[in-house]
Amino acid sequence: GQSLEQPSEVTAVEGAIVQINCTYQTSGFYGLSWYQQHDGGAPTFLSYNALDGLEETGRFSSFLSRSDSYGYLLLQELQMKDSASYFCAASSGGSYIPTFGRGTSLIVHP
Amino acid sequence: NAGVMQNPRHLVRRRGQEARLRCSPMKGHSHVYWYRQLPEEGLKFMVYLQKENIIDESGMPKERFSAEFPKEGPSILRIQQVVRGDSAAYFCASSPGQGAGGKNTGELFFGEGSRLTVL
Repeated sequence: GQSLEQPSEVTAVEGAIVQINCTYQTSGFYGLSWYQQHDGGAPTFLSYNALDGLEETGRFSSFLSRSDSYGYLLLQELQMKDSASYFCAASSGGSYIPTFGRGTSLIVHP
Repeated sequence: NAGVMQNPRHLVRRRGQEARLRCSPMKGHSHVYWYRQLPEEGLKFMVYLQKENIIDESGMPKERFSAEFPKEGPSILRIQQVVRGDSAAYFCASSPGQGAGGKNTGELFFGEGSRLTVL
């Protein structure tokens, strides 16, 4: 089967940097995505890594190590509005269907 | 609104009734995915469809659940004879091509979800 592990909750203060880790076990791995979800609303896409290394998009960066089956999402200059759930998702198989982790609840304190 | 549209946003059914959830993908998208989410949990894949074809239904229960994406009109997720365990949020997502993004960008576009409550 396929599984992804990520911490259930992370807390940080405004302006800080936080890293959310994700390890995966999946066959036919293709790439790792990250999504943000506020209060059970529509998940929104943040980033995607198909190759090893760091992808930077504004305050958010994502990293992938295929040899370690590991990735992380890095959030810089945290803002209160970043409080949300963050999901990693591994795309695999012939149809590249994303399998999601259970999510990490990020709580940003003033 | 060019986004993924789902309706109804909220649906209440009694045990044994049928639930029909509809999803209109983004304009230009021909690939639709249905996911189920329980409180405090991740999104569990159910089914992946293209127009008039079910590509992968490995995550969908064999009984009571069915999905379609006709040539015209929205994709439909149908749950027959609902039970309390079916209570969840059902999210639809679309992409312009195969897999997580037509150009393998990993991006799916999600709707706001349909929240089913079974009494």
